[in-house]
Amino acid sequence: DAGVIQSPRHEVTEMGQEVTLRCKPISGHNSLFWYRQTMMRGLELLIYFNNNVPIDDSGMPEDRFSAKMPNASFSTLKIQPSEPRDSAVYFCASGAGGPREQYFGPGTRLTVT
Amino acid sequence: GENVEQHPSTLSVQEGDSAVIKCTYSDSASNYFPWYKQELGKRPQLIIDIRSNVGEKKDQRIAVTLNKTAKHFSLHITETQPEDSAVYFCAARRGADGLTFGKGTHLIIQP
Repeated sequence: DAGVIQSPRHEVTEMGQEVTLRCKPISGHNSLFWYRQTMMRGLELLIYFNNNVPIDDSGMPEDRFSAKMPNASFSTLKIQPSEPRDSAVYFCASGAGGPREQYFGPGTRLTVT
Repeated sequence: GENVEQHPSTLSVQEGDSAVIKCTYSDSASNYFPWYKQELGKRPQLIIDIRSNVGEKKDQRIAVTLNKTAKHFSLHITETQPEDSAVYFCAARRGADGLTFGKGTHLIIQP
């Protein structure tokens, strides 16, 4: 199995631009999670999906952030418009549901100038 | 929501000695407690986990203990080696919810 796949691995953009991060979970996993990691705030849960349905988006910082999961093999996290404080590493993780391991993707390092 | 506190933020030990990292959680409904190791520029990797119906779990040099009454759990690494140097995160989870992470411990193994 290829594991969780994220793209792009690095993104540099200017303030005000739209940014779209992509994730392909491990085949067969029915839960997908988006996390953000910064030095100041550590690892934070942004949103998660079960069976393609958003369950908890209370971690999404602002309305500028949105996430979708149109099917079991693809999810996007969009920031529009982006701001410098959005600079972080964004991880996608997938799992088989319940109290079990979550498998992290390699992350997308986002820099907003 | 859940809140996870982790201590210490930095831990330096001599190679071959033991290292202990401690975490507390607030939500008594949390039932899954993983530990992740993250090397610089890499993704978090699960090293051990424990469920709330178990008090202790061991895997070679790594062990985790859980005290549900006190709502705290600990990671123990024995016979530390240079490759153990990394940032370690504890986390808590209720059912199928997302993980709530501690702030991390930077473990430094001194040769």
